[in-house]
This record gives sequence, C-alpha cells and structure tokens, in this order.
Amino acid sequence: EVQMVETGGGLIQPGGSLRLSCAASGFAVSSSYMNWVRQAPGKGLEWVSILYSGGSTYYTDSVKGRFTISRDDSKNTLYLQMNSLRAEDTAVYYCTRAYSWNYAYMDVWGKGTTVTVSS
Amino acid sequence: EIVLTQSPGTLSLSPGERATLSCRASQSISSIYLAWYQQKPGQSPRLLIYGASSRATGIPDRFSGSGSGRDFTLTISRLEPEDFAVYFCQQYGGSPQTFGQGTKVEIK
Repeated sequence: EVQMVETGGGLIQPGGSLRLSCAASGFAVSSSYMNWVRQAPGKGLEWVSILYSGGSTYYTDSVKGRFTISRDDSKNTLYLQMNSLRAEDTAVYYCTRAYSWNYAYMDVWGKGTTVTVSS
Repeated sequence: EIVLTQSPGTLSLSPGERATLSCRASQSISSIYLAWYQQKPGQSPRLLIYGASSRATGIPDRFSGSGSGRDFTLTISRLEPEDFAVYFCQQYGGSPQTFGQGTKVEIK
C-alpha cells in the first residue's frame, strides 16, 4: 500500500527550529516528486516546497532561506528543516507525492503533522 | 502567481441534489494543469480530478470536471452523504503552483 506518515510537529517558540519527517512506503521517494503543503487553521492549502527526483528544489517565497527540503533514500524519507519559525508558519504540514515534474497534481497525501509557533 | 478564486464559498444542498462548483483563474491555464481535491473534517485532501476532467483512481463517476481557459467546474451529479466536504482546485501549470480557497458543500 502506498502511504506516507509525517512526524516531527509540535509547539515551538518564534525563531526556533523544527525538522519534519515523512516516511514513505509502497514507493520510492528517490524516484518521485515530493512536496510539502501546509494548511493554516481554518484556511486553505498552500504549497511550500518540492523536491524533484533529480535533486532540484523549489520553495514558496515566504519560506525561502528559512526552510530546506531534503530526503534520505536509504530510509525512504522526506524531510523539511524549518528554521527561524514565525507565527504565520503555524499550520498542518502535509507530505504529498506529485504525479510527475510537469503534471504536479498530488496523488498521495500523508495525514499531516501540526506545527504551532507561539510563545 | 496565478490566483484561483472558487465560488461559492459555501453551497447548501440536500442529498440527491446536483452540486456545481466553480474555479476561476486570474489568467488562462491549460486544462491539463487543473486538479480538484476533496477534504473532509480532520482528514487530508484526496485527489478527485486531474487534467480538468480525468477522474483519479477509485473516484465515483458522479464526480466530473470540465472547463478551459480561466473557468473550470467540478460537478457532483447526485450528492451522497459522504460528499459533504470542502473542495479545492489547484493549478500546476504556473510557478508557484497554487490552490483556490475552497468551497464548502454542506447539508441543507
């Protein structure tokens, strides 16, 4: 069964750091196009970052320079390192798989992990 | 950035009725780059439609998508109790990819 499980969320003070993990099963993260998408409380969906199978990475403007997407192929796991966290980063963070690099609809979603940035 | 505007914000209907949801883009996009998702409370989104009109695996045929250019539509032909949820459109033709703000389909 294809699935992904996110962990690593929690309550963190502004300016702090967190690393989210997304453990995948049923497919190889290394050959997939993997995203992080977030949803602030009561709000819509916001794409955050993508990691292509070839290693290219892209970010939404609001997280550039603060967040880093990466993967560990031996663990079949995707990561999101989040630094200099702000209150507006508070959201449920979903790990998703895109169908391909140019048809980036998201065919698999994890259940999400909640990040709360507050003092 | 391509902005997607969904309407209405909330749609109040009864089971068995037809639901028509709209997604309008701030600029023209190819229909191959438009998707729809369903999200139920406390759950992650689920892919319904991609390429504007292709149903994802396991999606019932009461769900259909259409449209081109700037205007796209998701139609649920006869609402089942499990269809009451929030629906989002997504465009993945422009960078960054963006989502609409969602339409809530609630029981009347």
